[in-house]
Amino acid sequence: EAEVAQSPRYKITEKSQAVAFWCDPISGHATLYWYRQILGQGPELLVQFQDESVVDDSQLPKDRFSAERLKGVDSTLKIQPAELGDSAMYLCASSLGLAGEYTGELFFGEGSRLTVL
Amino acid sequence: GNSVTQMEGPVTLSEEAFLTINCTYTATGYPSLFWYVQYPGEGLQLLLKATKADDKGSNKGFEATYRKETTSFHLEKGSVQVSDSAVYFCALFWGATSGTYKYIFGTGTRLKVLA
Repeated sequence: EAEVAQSPRYKITEKSQAVAFWCDPISGHATLYWYRQILGQGPELLVQFQDESVVDDSQLPKDRFSAERLKGVDSTLKIQPAELGDSAMYLCASSLGLAGEYTGELFFGEGSRLTVL
Repeated sequence: GNSVTQMEGPVTLSEEAFLTINCTYTATGYPSLFWYVQYPGEGLQLLLKATKADDKGSNKGFEATYRKETTSFHLEKGSVQVSDSAVYFCALFWGATSGTYKYIFGTGTRLKVLA
């Protein structure tokens, strides 16, 4: 069964350092999402891509976070510099996202857990 | 704006007990409603969904009915098992005016089932 791949699973870094997370969505999925999940809370959208274009980054802290999906396939989320409050699970999800084919289901990866010391 | 409210956890039940996890929403238009489940160490996965009022979603013995009159989508299961221990998220999904799709997740309810 096709899965959303994420790496690394765990990352420990010191504040002010740079970190990067990678996501490879299910083949053929046009829409890709990055969510942040703080312990005990629900996922919060950081950025949404349709193919290689950003369609929603209104909640992305752009002074330190960046995201790209250059060829409309895999994606990278970067944080520079990391702050203590960035400690969270970073989840990637994908969906078909095309009119007439979109059932609304999101397929999630296992997530990347970030700890900032 | 649109929002989702879930009952706080944790919910602790004995095996074979009846489960209800409450979810209410605020939305304009005609959203779809989802329940996702997150098992320990895993990502979220879709449990069930309903796309219009009075629809009932069901899967793995879980059920939820889209009630527009009470703006609710409560999750129920008649007899829980230890393997149902997980965090359950209610989610609201709708098409935005920008032509994109939007999702909002509730805060999650942790369920612990004791043998």
